Amino acid sequence: NAGVTQTPKFQVLKTGQSMTLQCAQDMNHEYMSWYRQDPGMGLRLIHYSVGAGITDQGEVPNGYNVSRSTTEDFPLRLLSAAPSQTSVYFCASSPGTGQWNYEQYFGPGTRLTVT
Amino acid sequence: AQSVTQLDSHVSVSEGTPVLLRCNYSSSYSPSLFWYVQHPNKGLQLLLKYTSAATLVKGINGFEAEFKKSETSFHLTKPSAHMSDAAEYFCVVSPLSGGYNKLIFGAGTRLAVHP
Repeated sequence: NAGVTQTPKFQVLKTGQSMTLQCAQDMNHEYMSWYRQDPGMGLRLIHYSVGAGITDQGEVPNGYNVSRSTTEDFPLRLLSAAPSQTSVYFCASSPGTGQWNYEQYFGPGTRLTVT
Repeated sequence: AQSVTQLDSHVSVSEGTPVLLRCNYSSSYSPSLFWYVQHPNKGLQLLLKYTSAATLVKGINGFEAEFKKSETSFHLTKPSAHMSDAAEYFCVVSPLSGGYNKLIFGAGTRLAVHP
C-alpha cells in the first residue's frame, strides 16, 4: 500500500491565484481530513469527510473548498490564494470512528507559499 | 471545550539520558489521547494512543506514556534517548463523544538530542 499520498510537494502561488492540492489513499478508509501546520500552532483542521459525498468544516475552513466524489480522493481547493494561506498542508485518513479506530494516517505534506 | 497544552516548546537531552515531554489536556468527555512524532520534512507518525484501556501505554521505539486523570496529564517518556529521536512531538486529544474524531493538536515540543 502507498498509504496517503499528496501532490504537489511544493508550490508557490501569487496572491489571487487558485489551485488544488491533491490527496489520495489506498486503504479504503472512510474518513479523510485536511490540516494546516503553522509554526507554534500544531495542526489545525480545515475540512473533513466521513464518506464519499459528505464533507464538513473544521476549525479553519475559510478560503478553502473540498469535495469527496470517491472514497480514495479528497482534493483541497484554494479559491483565491492569500499570503495568510502560506503553510504546510497535511491530508490524513482513518478507518472509522469506533473507539479503537481513532488513529489517523498522514500524508507527507504539501509546502505552499503565497507571495 | 477540549484543549491540549504542551508545557515545553523545546527540550534538549544528551544521548542515553531519559526523555520527558509533558502534556496536559482539557476535555469535557473521556478522551482518546495520542502522541505523534514528526521528523524533519516528513509527515506525522503515530507513536502511541490511549483509549481508556490500560493507563500506561507503550508505543514504538521505546516510548511510553501514562494517562493520569487526576492530573489531566499524558506525559511521554523514554528511558534512554537516541540520536534518531530528534524530532517534533505532538500531543493530541480526541473526545470520545461519537461522530468524527476531530483531533486537537498541541503546539508541539521540539526534542534535540546531543551526543
